[in-house]
Amino acid sequence: GQQVMQIPQYQHVQEGEDFTTYCNSSTTLSNIQWYKQRPGGHPVFLIQLVKSGEVKKQKRLTFQFGEAKKNSSLHITATQTTDVGTYFCAVNTGGFKTIFGAGTRLFVKA
Amino acid sequence: DADVTQTPRNRITKTGKRIMLECSQTKGHDRMYWYRQDPGLGLQLIYYSFDVKDINKGEISDGYSVSRQAQAKFSLSLESAIPNQTALYFCATSAMTDSTDTQYFGPGTRLTVL
Repeated sequence: GQQVMQIPQYQHVQEGEDFTTYCNSSTTLSNIQWYKQRPGGHPVFLIQLVKSGEVKKQKRLTFQFGEAKKNSSLHITATQTTDVGTYFCAVNTGGFKTIFGAGTRLFVKA
Repeated sequence: DADVTQTPRNRITKTGKRIMLECSQTKGHDRMYWYRQDPGLGLQLIYYSFDVKDINKGEISDGYSVSRQAQAKFSLSLESAIPNQTALYFCATSAMTDSTDTQYFGPGTRLTVL
């Protein structure tokens, strides 16, 4: 069945350092979504990638979809304390259903 | 997201009690979901519903039941609560359009079973 692995499970960075989380699927994906959950909050949709090799940016966040549509990454440049939280990928192989990765928890030290 | 509300926000109950968690949405979405999140873990799907007459089990449905009373309301019940059901529960909604399924989450219900 569909499996999605997200790495690392957690990461500690110094403020100003970069951060990357990766999402890998065992099967080809129709799309991938990224969500952020702040501590004590709920997951909030960030972005969706659909096309092979697609790259999207949101300020300091860069999202990339692999050429084979089996993996994706989220990169944060120059982390800030406001970036703290857990980042989830969510994958869809077409039709229902959406499967969430276990998430990468980001800690930022000021 | 304020368009998705959950009640109660916190609940402490005892083993064996039946409890109901409620979710309401004003987004007009057909799809609704119940997830469970354990500390440090991801989101596990309990049940999902594509419309009022459609209910489907997710990964971890044992010990839970749901009711879709209307398009806007989706309730989760624990028939006989047990301590390992202590977790954070999220309701979410989505509208499948153009092959996307962006999910909008409620604020969550923190459930403690003693």
